[in-house]
Amino acid sequence: GQQLNQSPQSMFIQEGEDVSMNCTSSSIFNTWLWYKQEPGEGPVLLIALYKAGELTSNGRLTAQFGITRKDSFLNISASIPSDVGIYFCAGQLAGYGGSQGNLIFGKGTKLSVKP
Amino acid sequence: DAGVTQSPTHLIKTRGQQVTLRCSPISGHKSVSWYQQVLGQGPQFIFQYYEKEERGRGNFPDRFSARQFPNYSSELNVNALLLGDSALYLCASSLEWVIDEQFFGPGTRLTVL
Repeated sequence: GQQLNQSPQSMFIQEGEDVSMNCTSSSIFNTWLWYKQEPGEGPVLLIALYKAGELTSNGRLTAQFGITRKDSFLNISASIPSDVGIYFCAGQLAGYGGSQGNLIFGKGTKLSVKP
Repeated sequence: DAGVTQSPTHLIKTRGQQVTLRCSPISGHKSVSWYQQVLGQGPQFIFQYYEKEERGRGNFPDRFSARQFPNYSSELNVNALLLGDSALYLCASSLEWVIDEQFFGPGTRLTVL
């Protein structure tokens, strides 16, 4: 099936550092979403992107929809301990005529922040 | 307002058994989607129901089935459980079927022995 390649798999950083993670695919996507998941909880939507080239911010988080529509990145600036969690990218394939609930998720980036 | 709720929180079954998982969407939300999240992986789409009709199905065997009730709550059924069905099952609801408004519940952790 379709896959998203998310990297890095894990990150160990110092509080205050900036973080960057990305997702790539061989397929074209209409929508890119970034979620954060903490232990015992479901994913929480952080940022949604709908147009190629779109750059969107949510506080210290910034995400971009790649020009080729095959990739996206998420940056977190000045990380803090509560940023700890697993970050997932998700996308909906272009030309998919079915349910809009069908998202393809990456495998996640596990972020650890050292105070 | 209550978020998406799922029950039970945890469940242990043995191979061959059947299981039913339940989801109550956010009040007013008409769409419910189900996802399977195996440890160390991202969620995988199983079903979407909108206005009580199946609107999408992922690449899962027929052992998986679901339904949505008139009050928009939903059940996911899995028959003839396999060890590989052990996972966190997530339910997400949305007002319509727009992706960005999809809110996830905490999930049901299913362990198959």
